[in-house]
Amino acid sequence: DVKVTQSSRYLVKRTGEKVFLECVQDMDHENMFWYRQDPGLGLRLIYFSYDVKMKEKGDIPEGYSVSREKKERFSLILESASTNQTSMYLCASNRVDNQPQHFGDGTRLSIL
Amino acid sequence: AQSVTQLGSHVSVSEGALVLLRCNYSSSVPPYLFWYVQYPNQGLQLLLKYTTGATLVKGINGFEAEFKKSETSFHLTKPSAHMSDAAEYFCAVSDFNAGGTSYGKLTFGQGTILTVHP
Repeated sequence: DVKVTQSSRYLVKRTGEKVFLECVQDMDHENMFWYRQDPGLGLRLIYFSYDVKMKEKGDIPEGYSVSREKKERFSLILESASTNQTSMYLCASNRVDNQPQHFGDGTRLSIL
Repeated sequence: AQSVTQLGSHVSVSEGALVLLRCNYSSSVPPYLFWYVQYPNQGLQLLLKYTTGATLVKGINGFEAEFKKSETSFHLTKPSAHMSDAAEYFCAVSDFNAGGTSYGKLTFGQGTILTVHP
């Protein structure tokens, strides 16, 4: 079974802090994704990566950056956390276009 | 660009009743379609997928969905609801750019919360 592991289930940070969310997948998938999920808004794509060191902006990249130095690891970075970034963050991965994405359990991030 | 509309943000059924969750999509190319389920405080789990071939797709937990190209629909059904089916359900369509590449991207609907009453 594919396993996507997010480093924290719950995280509390303060405004202005630099925040790192880590995601690791164990199935050698090419593609990795970061979403945020808010009630009534569904899943919104922040960034995705289709290869090591390759990244593309999603629908809501403002205030975020990403890093993919190794194929199995995809990091989401909040450069200077703000309260409007309080949300559930989901990481996912897949291999090719017609294959489903596999999701981690999510990180519920609170910015105080 | 692709889009997904899930009709009804909340659906409530009685245990044993038919479950019908509606999904309509728009896509400029033949779509890949997916249904996911999310239980509280968990990530999304794949229920079923349509890529090519048979238009009636069976998934886990007794769910199935039918791809209807003429109606641009991919509705999710289950003949008899169980209490354990209470969750949020997401429909998703493959998201291709103008060059025909998706990099595995999906566009998700807004989600439908299913409540099952005893």
